[in-house]
Amino acid sequence: EAQVTQNPRYLITVTGKKLTVTCSQNMNHEYMSWYRQDPGLGLRQIYYSMNVEVTDKGDVPEGYKVSRKEKRNFPLILESPSPNQTSLYFCASSPSIGPYGYTFGSGTRLTVV
Amino acid sequence: KNQVEQSPQSLIILEGKNCTLQCNYTVSPFSNLRWYKQDTGRGPVSLTIMTFSENTKSNGRYTATLDADTKQSSLHITASQLSDSASYICVVSASHDMRFGAGTRLTVKP
Repeated sequence: EAQVTQNPRYLITVTGKKLTVTCSQNMNHEYMSWYRQDPGLGLRQIYYSMNVEVTDKGDVPEGYKVSRKEKRNFPLILESPSPNQTSLYFCASSPSIGPYGYTFGSGTRLTVV
Repeated sequence: KNQVEQSPQSLIILEGKNCTLQCNYTVSPFSNLRWYKQDTGRGPVSLTIMTFSENTKSNGRYTATLDADTKQSSLHITASQLSDSASYICVVSASHDMRFGAGTRLTVKP
């Protein structure tokens, strides 16, 4: 089944403790992206990747890092999480930039206390 | 600034009724417009994708329209079902720049 898999689904952590949210797609998509969703704000792009070893900042990249060493994986790294990073996170992929539907993962609900 | 505004913010309708959701945008230069359905706690799922030359696109009971001149799109849902209860998100793209609307929360009641 074609899908984007995120892990974990839920995570509660403490301020300053490094964490990684994994994202993997099995569709050989070139484009992958991370979003955060907060009430009333809609989805906001954190980082995106056009292909392996090609990443770029989205609208809200501060406090986040990403890497794209392989085509299928696009992990989101929070080096020192803070409470304002408490949010619902989504990973998405598409064949490339253009009029393609994006396939979203099921989301990761992160709480930083 | 590229913006996407959706209205209404929320909507409650009775099962079997039709409804129309609106999306106005200022994103430029326009590339394509997508409508997504997002169930609570789940990732968005694509309903339609429209490019500049397309005025109307249907996906079952969902019909999206696009007026590129006025920069408006609508999503019409016919014969609503309880399973249509979800948030509907309009996404407008300009090359690498994607802008998400805040969504319309639709509740269908029996």
